[in-house]
Amino acid sequence: AQTVTQSQPEMSVQEAETVTLSCTYDTSENNYYLFWYKQPPSRQMILVIRQEAYKQQNATENRFSVNFQKAAKSFSLKISDSQLGDTAMYFCAFMKHYSGAGSYQLTFGKGTKLSVIP
Amino acid sequence: GAVVSQHPSWVICKSGTSVKIECRSLDFQATTMFWYRQFPKQSLMLMATSNEGSKATYEQGVEKDKFLINHASLTLSTLTVTSAHPEDSSFYICSAGTGYQATNEKLFFGSGTQLSVL
Repeated sequence: AQTVTQSQPEMSVQEAETVTLSCTYDTSENNYYLFWYKQPPSRQMILVIRQEAYKQQNATENRFSVNFQKAAKSFSLKISDSQLGDTAMYFCAFMKHYSGAGSYQLTFGKGTKLSVIP
Repeated sequence: GAVVSQHPSWVICKSGTSVKIECRSLDFQATTMFWYRQFPKQSLMLMATSNEGSKATYEQGVEKDKFLINHASLTLSTLTVTSAHPEDSSFYICSAGTGYQATNEKLFFGSGTQLSVL
């Protein structure tokens, strides 16, 4: 079974500054996907960024980037130029890589509540 | 982009009654849908995996007779909470996928349903 650990229950950052959210995971799988999801107060789950484990290059999406360390099983999220709209719960999630129906079962971490301060 | 519609967004019911929550994929066919439960300030916990045309697969500890799942078509899955009790009060979220492997554009979440049982 996979586990995902987010060791920072809450964090805060000044607007326009940079913040890094931590995530570690445990798995015996070699191929898998990792995700960061954002859940704002509306509670709609929004995909922030996605990383395939077989890719060495770290994924980036505009102001969001990850530091993926496969050997260390670490997957941190960096948010640059933080904006007020970034205030939300952030969940790290793991997904196995295999074909067949039901292939996208996600295992979530407990989340990090990020507050962006004006 | 693809959208998953979840209805109702909130519902209040009396203890002992049943409540049905719908999850629809609006512009794609979802072979698999997932139902999650989220308690306040906690992470998403997978309840069951719903495959079109077959029985749902429930996670350990989830009562299948209490949480009835029907995935009768490729665009609709329903979760019925039978004989609801106050401890069933929670936020329920569905997600849907379009194929056999997860990519950014193939895994989507509904907006959630807040159930309050009096």
